[in-house]
Amino acid sequence: KNQVEQSPQSLIILEGKNCTLQCNYTVSPFSNLRWYKQDTGRGPVSLTIMTFSENTKSNGRYTATLDADTKQSSLHITASQLSDSASYICVVRRGSTLGRLYFGRGTQLTVWP
Amino acid sequence: ETGVTQTPRHLVMGMTNKKSLKCEQHLGHNAMYWYKQSAKKPLELMFVYNFKEQTENNSVPSRFSPECPNSSHLFLHLHTLQPEDSALYLCASSQDSVFLAGGARFSYEQYFGPGTRLTVT
Repeated sequence: KNQVEQSPQSLIILEGKNCTLQCNYTVSPFSNLRWYKQDTGRGPVSLTIMTFSENTKSNGRYTATLDADTKQSSLHITASQLSDSASYICVVRRGSTLGRLYFGRGTQLTVWP
Repeated sequence: ETGVTQTPRHLVMGMTNKKSLKCEQHLGHNAMYWYKQSAKKPLELMFVYNFKEQTENNSVPSRFSPECPNSSHLFLHLHTLQPEDSALYLCASSQDSVFLAGGARFSYEQYFGPGTRLTVT
């Protein structure tokens, strides 16, 4: 069964601290994996996309990793800011660049001052 | 802004009301999508339109009726909804969506609108 599981479900950290969000998937065959950030009351916005051959990709303070062998991805946020408070959604595309999308439930991150 | 707008942003309606959600994209895309996002659940794909043609309906109840008059506009007509239909309804668009044997497929990155927060009383 094609699934995307994210952990933790929610996370609270203090401003300036680092954190790591996890995404495990069983989607097969794998095409790519994308991390979205969704602010409260807004639509998801893409942060980064990982293809099979990529292990690490950074976008500012966001660094995504992918281990296609273990079917795991992580999103690391460094020096967190209040504006990082949002839901982070992992989305895996199955098969090819035209494949179906499978969504995780998201991790709700709250950054406290 | 992502180039996808949705109106209204918030909607409260009774179970006997009829209302419509509107989505407009300014990106020159040819594919548009409706998603439902309920609390603590993954996004659920409802409908896919490709070049104004509906290419996917994921067993959505008939009280939700989509309309796509052109590639830039997408509507979701609502009638006789239930309280469990309360959710955030997201519209998205992408460059293209190719229909393949066995079902529609999605191509390229999807750009999401801000959503309409729907409450059914």
